Amino acid sequence: NAGVTQTPKFQVLKTGQSMTLQCAQDMNHEYMSWYRQDPGMGLRLIHYSVGAGITDQGEVPNGYNVSRSTTEDFPLRLLSAAPSQTSVYFCASSGTVNTEAFFGQGTRLTVV
Amino acid sequence: AQTVTQSQPEMSVQEAETVTLSCTYDTSENNYYLFWYKQPPSRQMILVIRQEAYKQQNATENRFSVNFQKAAKSFSLKISDSQLGDTAMYFCAFMDRGGGSNYKLTFGKGTLLTVNP
Repeated sequence: NAGVTQTPKFQVLKTGQSMTLQCAQDMNHEYMSWYRQDPGMGLRLIHYSVGAGITDQGEVPNGYNVSRSTTEDFPLRLLSAAPSQTSVYFCASSGTVNTEAFFGQGTRLTVV
Repeated sequence: AQTVTQSQPEMSVQEAETVTLSCTYDTSENNYYLFWYKQPPSRQMILVIRQEAYKQQNATENRFSVNFQKAAKSFSLKISDSQLGDTAMYFCAFMDRGGGSNYKLTFGKGTLLTVNP
């Protein structure tokens, strides 16, 4: 079972560059979300989706875009990378709102 | 907005002993869900235990159990017979009942638990 697959696992960007973090799940889950993890801050919600074509902002959405054209994929776009976006990013999915969220392995992003 | 507070940034316990991790939350909702996630050094997020607010009975999963005090908005995790593999960051998380377009899982800042041999 693949579960939730995130790519890449590591990435270094220069300030101002753009990139897309990929997230795919093969469990036919409706709910998907993106978090960032910073030391001492826990996980903070960036964007989430409750189904194909439906997305909404979380706690820290600025500088990030998302789209959900299919049930399986939920990419996160960094429009113009900034050093403040250096973080570990997690994608998660769940079948219903109150059941276990399955997480990807995370992407460690460094912006220099 | 819901908030989740974990007041213990770090804890340590001897192997085979029992340890309790604290979590409090703030919400005006009546129906919600609470979770404890474990993040070992591998970085993988793993669900430890889940509690539904409308259930009076505390959830248990093998050596892991919770003390859910709804009125006090408290959700502590007890780990019995601690093992070296329990060494990890533990996150408490809150999800309101959701429905419609709402799906926001709010995490605490985490407690780093070290199990010593």
